[in-house]
Amino acid sequence: EVQLVESGGGLVQPGGSLRLSCAVSGFTFSSYWMHWVRQAPGKGLVWLTRMSGDGSATNYADSVKGRFTISRDNAKNTVYLQMNSLTVEDTAVYYCARAESMAGRSLDYWGQGTLVTVSS
Amino acid sequence: DIQMTQSPSSLSASVGDRVTITCRASQSISSYLNWYQQKPGEAPKLLIYAIFSLHSGVPSRFSGSGSGTDFTLTINSLQAEDFATYYCQQSYSTPRTFGQGTKLEIK
Repeated sequence: EVQLVESGGGLVQPGGSLRLSCAVSGFTFSSYWMHWVRQAPGKGLVWLTRMSGDGSATNYADSVKGRFTISRDNAKNTVYLQMNSLTVEDTAVYYCARAESMAGRSLDYWGQGTLVTVSS
Repeated sequence: DIQMTQSPSSLSASVGDRVTITCRASQSISSYLNWYQQKPGEAPKLLIYAIFSLHSGVPSRFSGSGSGTDFTLTINSLQAEDFATYYCQQSYSTPRTFGQGTKLEIK
C-alpha cells in the first residue's frame, strides 16, 4: 500500500524557518518525482516544487524560489521541504505528493498534509 | 506560466443529477490534464488523469473529455459522497498549475 506521511508543521514566527518531512512507503521511492503543494485556509491548491527521483533536478514556483528548498534522501524514503524567511502568507496545509509518469505525470498519491502557521 | 480557469466556481445539484465542470488552459497542454477531488479536512485525491483515464478505484460515473485547451469533468448520477471541491491541473509544464476549484454542493 502506497503511503505518504508528512510531519514537521507547527507554529513559527515571521522570518523563521521550518523543515517539513514526507516519509513514504509502498513503492520504489527513487523511481518517482516528488512534489509539494500547499493550501492556505479556505483557498485552493498551489503547486510549490518538485524533485526528480535521483535528486538531480528540481523546479520551483516563483513565490517560493530562493526561500524554499526541496531535497530527498532515497535511503530513508523521505522528501523534505526546507522553508526559510517565512511570512504570514506561507500559512497553509502543506502536502507532499507522488507524480506518476505513466499516468500523465499526475499526482496520484498524496499525504494527509501538515499545517504550518506563521504568526507572531 | 499556464493559467487554468475553471467554471463554475460553485454548483448546486441534487443526488441523481448529471453535472459538468469545465476547465480552460491558457495555452495548449496536449493531454496533460488531470482532475482531483477534495473533501473538507482531507487531502486531494486523483480522479482522472490524461484527460479521460480513471484513476484506480474511481467510479465509472466520473468521466473526462476535451482536448488542447478545453476540458470537461462530468459526473453522472450524483451520489451523496460526490459533494466536494474539484480541481483541474495541468502537468504539461512547470510550474504545475491548478484551477481555482469548483465547489459542488447539495441543492
